[in-house]
Amino acid sequence: GAVVSQHPSWVICKSGTSVKIECRSLDFQATTMFWYRQFPKQSLMLMATSNEGSKATYEQGVEKDKFLINHASLTLSTLTVTSAHPEDSSFYICSAGGTNAPEAFFGQGTRLTVV
Amino acid sequence: AQKVTQAQTEISVVEKEDVTLDCVYETRDTTYYLFWYKQPPSGELVFLIRRNSFDEQNEISGRYSWNFQKSTSSFNFTITASQVVDSAVYFCALSGLYSGGGADGLTFGKGTHLIIQP
Repeated sequence: GAVVSQHPSWVICKSGTSVKIECRSLDFQATTMFWYRQFPKQSLMLMATSNEGSKATYEQGVEKDKFLINHASLTLSTLTVTSAHPEDSSFYICSAGGTNAPEAFFGQGTRLTVV
Repeated sequence: AQKVTQAQTEISVVEKEDVTLDCVYETRDTTYYLFWYKQPPSGELVFLIRRNSFDEQNEISGRYSWNFQKSTSSFNFTITASQVVDSAVYFCALSGLYSGGGADGLTFGKGTHLIIQP
């Protein structure tokens, strides 16, 4: 199946700093990438959908100025958590979609801890 | 709006027992995808199956089987002869399709924590 690589797998940052998470599709062109967030012992919630070369679409309640998404190429999307606070601590996971990837393969996820 | 309900929060069985994880969904789309994922403690999501809404054939893969009943909007997952390694959180998910034919963003159920005791 398709391979999606997410980096870093875990990160600890200080409150007020920004953190960038990368999501790469390694063997197919991902026209669309999705970003999800999962709090401990909870389900995954879709945060935003990014389409290559255009602005991301955010789900209701997700602050677009706080969670900056860039999808500059067909193989890379980035999520930047700006001015992170402890309540942003969560598991962030991406998936890559497209005509050739209907299985919605997921990256390994990034565990963010803000101290 | 789409919704996925996994009523079983946690299931505990003894190894070698069969276990069924329930999934009920709601959608107004006439065409959609249904998924099951396994999430071990490490956190990654392991893809198990995708089913198109127009394909109601049940599927078997080794010890895993899936029963898709469109009439009751259910997509249940059965593990036969369970093993300790099957212990994980299992998520059922639903998505629409976008114009390219791929899956749209997924709506996940709350997950079922499956514990297989030796």
